[in-house]
Amino acid sequence: AQSVTQLDSQVPVFEEAPVELRCNYSSSVSVYLFWYVQYPNQGLQLLLKYLSGSTLVKGINGFEAEFNKSQTSFHLRKPSVHISDTAEYFCAVSVFDTNAGKSTFGDGTTLTVKP
Amino acid sequence: ETGVTQTPRHLVMGMTNKKSLKCEQHLGHNAMYWYKQSAKKPLELMFVYNFKEQTENNSVPSRFSPECPNSSHLFLHLHTLQPEDSALYLCASSLKGQGNTGELFFGEGSRLTVL
Repeated sequence: AQSVTQLDSQVPVFEEAPVELRCNYSSSVSVYLFWYVQYPNQGLQLLLKYLSGSTLVKGINGFEAEFNKSQTSFHLRKPSVHISDTAEYFCAVSVFDTNAGKSTFGDGTTLTVKP
Repeated sequence: ETGVTQTPRHLVMGMTNKKSLKCEQHLGHNAMYWYKQSAKKPLELMFVYNFKEQTENNSVPSRFSPECPNSSHLFLHLHTLQPEDSALYLCASSLKGQGNTGELFFGEGSRLTVL
């Protein structure tokens, strides 16, 4: 079985500051890794994903994440945040098998960007 | 047409009412999901359908009854709900099977309030 731990439930940050949202996972098999974002009163949308290859993955809205296999981490970063980045962020994993599609989600991190 | 469409976006119902939530995907996916998102709680997977067949039911009370008439449509029938069932209900779809990554595509959600 897989598990995902998002280490911070809430991250307050000032506008234009850098931010890192931390995600650790546990799995006995290889996984795909995802970050999803949920803006208020909306569904989740994909921010970025790691499937294979380069461990640094770039996503939408200037976000990037780095896959670290030895530390089983997939932390999300942005060098300079905007007010509009205020949202809930979810880290998720899915496994390499015929049942790919059953994702395991973390509990979410609320990012609040203050002026 | 957007990828995954949910209706209604908002629903208020009494405990004795019967209502249904609808989800439609235009992405050619073969798997569909219902998730429940309550305030201050993790995302909960309720049901999974693969090619119209229910493959997962995570101990959901029988007052929630899913229906998947084809791979593009998913319903959640609601009957004699409780106030604690008030939540955002999210529909998602994906391509399921070997070689697929498990990336989920979400609708915008149906906000349910049970009085």
